[in-house]
Amino acid sequence: GAVVSQHPSRVICKSGTSVKIECRSLDFQATTMFWYRQFPKQSLMLMATSNEGSKATYEQGVEKDKFLINHASLTLSTLTVTSAHPEDSSFYICSARLSGLAGEETQYFGPGTRLLVL
Amino acid sequence: RKEVEQDPGPFNVPEGATVAFNCTYSNSASQSFFWYRQDCRKEPKLLMSVYSSGNEDGRFTAQLNRASQYISLLIRDSKLSDSATYLCVVNGNRGSTLGRLYFGRGTQLTVWP
Repeated sequence: GAVVSQHPSRVICKSGTSVKIECRSLDFQATTMFWYRQFPKQSLMLMATSNEGSKATYEQGVEKDKFLINHASLTLSTLTVTSAHPEDSSFYICSARLSGLAGEETQYFGPGTRLLVL
Repeated sequence: RKEVEQDPGPFNVPEGATVAFNCTYSNSASQSFFWYRQDCRKEPKLLMSVYSSGNEDGRFTAQLNRASQYISLLIRDSKLSDSATYLCVVNGNRGSTLGRLYFGRGTQLTVWP
């Protein structure tokens, strides 16, 4: 299957700092990438849809000024958590959408970034 | 109502057992359906897509009932390595949310020796 990488895999930071997470599709181009967040024992919650060359679409309740998304190329999307606070501590996962020859679409997930804000 | 509802579990079964998970979805316009597997503290990985006619992949069988908006996953001859959380996933496929996936909360499976 297709490969998606995320960096870093783990971050510990102080409250008030900003954290940048990168998501890369390694062997395919992705016009659309998605950013999710997962709290312990909860399902994945979509935060935003990242479209190459245009503004991201944020889900209701997700602050676009706090979670900055940049999708500058077909293989890279970044999520910046600005002025992080302890309640932002979570597992952040990106996915990239791959369209097949028959029109089917599959999302491949990155390995996730575990963020801990002290 | 949530987009995707799943059996909460957990399911604890012995090796070799057959176990079935169920899932319902609310959007009748949904077009694509999947089962993902998520191991503890890892990202979800695609287990199999679910097709209208039902499909099988080794010990795993997925069924879709569009009329009832119901999806199932059957695991036969359970292995220890099947222990994980199984996520029912539905493609939203409506307007601006085309391509968006909706995740169930997941059903935890533990296979014991």
